[in-house]
Amino acid sequence: KNEVEQSPQNLTAQEGEFITINCSYSVGISALHWLQQHPGGGIVSLFMLSSGKKKHGRLIATINIQEKHSSLHITASHPRDSAVYICAVGSRLTFGEGTQLTVNP
Amino acid sequence: GAVVSQHPSRVICKSGTSVKIECRSLDFQATTMFWYRQFPKQSLMLMATSNEGSKATYEQGVEKDKFLINHASLTLSTLTVTSAHPEDSSFYICSARAGTASYEQYFGPGTRLTVT
Repeated sequence: KNEVEQSPQNLTAQEGEFITINCSYSVGISALHWLQQHPGGGIVSLFMLSSGKKKHGRLIATINIQEKHSSLHITASHPRDSAVYICAVGSRLTFGEGTQLTVNP
Repeated sequence: GAVVSQHPSRVICKSGTSVKIECRSLDFQATTMFWYRQFPKQSLMLMATSNEGSKATYEQGVEKDKFLINHASLTLSTLTVTSAHPEDSSFYICSARAGTASYEQYFGPGTRLTVT
């Protein structure tokens, strides 16, 4: 069993839809990161959180430490949101396998 | 937000040669830098952690004599792939952390290495 598991692995949505990506982890952590990787590989850090909820624009990240679970939500999705979204945990990051999101116009 | 750069963005080299990849923190001092590798359709894997002024800590299975890491200043870390082989072809990404009290990491754009 992987230390960090994401679901779904692939997600296709229509523009405007509300999207949720889930991350479950099995180790104790100090922080959890949500990252975005576009085709071509560059990575952008979206959120780092250790409790509660953070919001940035159309993106919302939540974490439940007791349940060892985090979710990334995208409201009013847009084709430019198409990317791989990666959950990573710990101070020396352990990565989930990523969720490939495709948003169709 | 904080900016981390990598150079080069793409490099093609012949088998047996060495390649150096630079990772720079542009607007902050990075006490710790991390080097990751990503094979196609796989997730990132941590290769090593480097702290300024000290030897890098390598993850299990990563050859320290093959992947030389130098973190000589608070804004620059280098990864040298020595005697490169085609199986070293991969996407190499660095990240930087500003201080030991912070868990926030800032990622570089990555370097695509192709060994022919």
